[in-house]
Amino acid sequence: DTGVSQDPRHKITKRGQNVTFRCDPISEHNRLYWYRQTLGQGPEFLTYFQNEAQLEKSRLLSDRFSAERPKGSFSTLEIQRTEQGDSAMYLCASSPGVDTDTQYFGPGTRLTVL
Amino acid sequence: AQSVTQLDSQVPVFEEAPVELRCNYSSSVSVYLFWYVQYPNQGLQLLLKYLSGSTLVKGINGFEAEFNKSQTSFHLRKPSVHISDTAEYFCAVNPNTGNQFYFGTGTSLTVIP
Repeated sequence: DTGVSQDPRHKITKRGQNVTFRCDPISEHNRLYWYRQTLGQGPEFLTYFQNEAQLEKSRLLSDRFSAERPKGSFSTLEIQRTEQGDSAMYLCASSPGVDTDTQYFGPGTRLTVL
Repeated sequence: AQSVTQLDSQVPVFEEAPVELRCNYSSSVSVYLFWYVQYPNQGLQLLLKYLSGSTLVKGINGFEAEFNKSQTSFHLRKPSVHISDTAEYFCAVNPNTGNQFYFGTGTSLTVIP
């Protein structure tokens, strides 16, 4: 399967703990995006990378959230000191460097903060 | 600023009946328009997109959408739905001056046998 993959698919954690999610984009896709989706809502943009550079970050993203894409391939999203309000589905998407209009989504990581 | 409104949160329809899922957007710049489908426990999958040219766009699984610039709408249609079309459908816009996608809140389509 050459689609976008995310790991883990599900994560349950206690409030105050740190969590890290991984996204592997489609190979040769230069752009990588993170979204958050809560129940009954559409995906909400968090941040995006062009290769290893983080070029845009939502104002909604608190300082507890950090994302990296160190070698321009896979990316990690870390949430520090999780809060119950962080419970959501975290989606990753990638798009080709040239045809950037279409994003291809992974299955998501569902985070539950107790 | 951009926004996307999906007017119907839930749409039940009988199998083999036609369906229309409505989407309106607002934007100060020109946009690309998309419909994505999300099946249970799966990622979002692109149904169709409008970039330019013909305002009637055909996508996968027999879906089509029509871009109406004057009404700032991009409604999704299918002439005859199947049970397998039961899913969540999201309309999205991408301002062609930026990289963010703005999604609507989704429409849950339930096909009744």
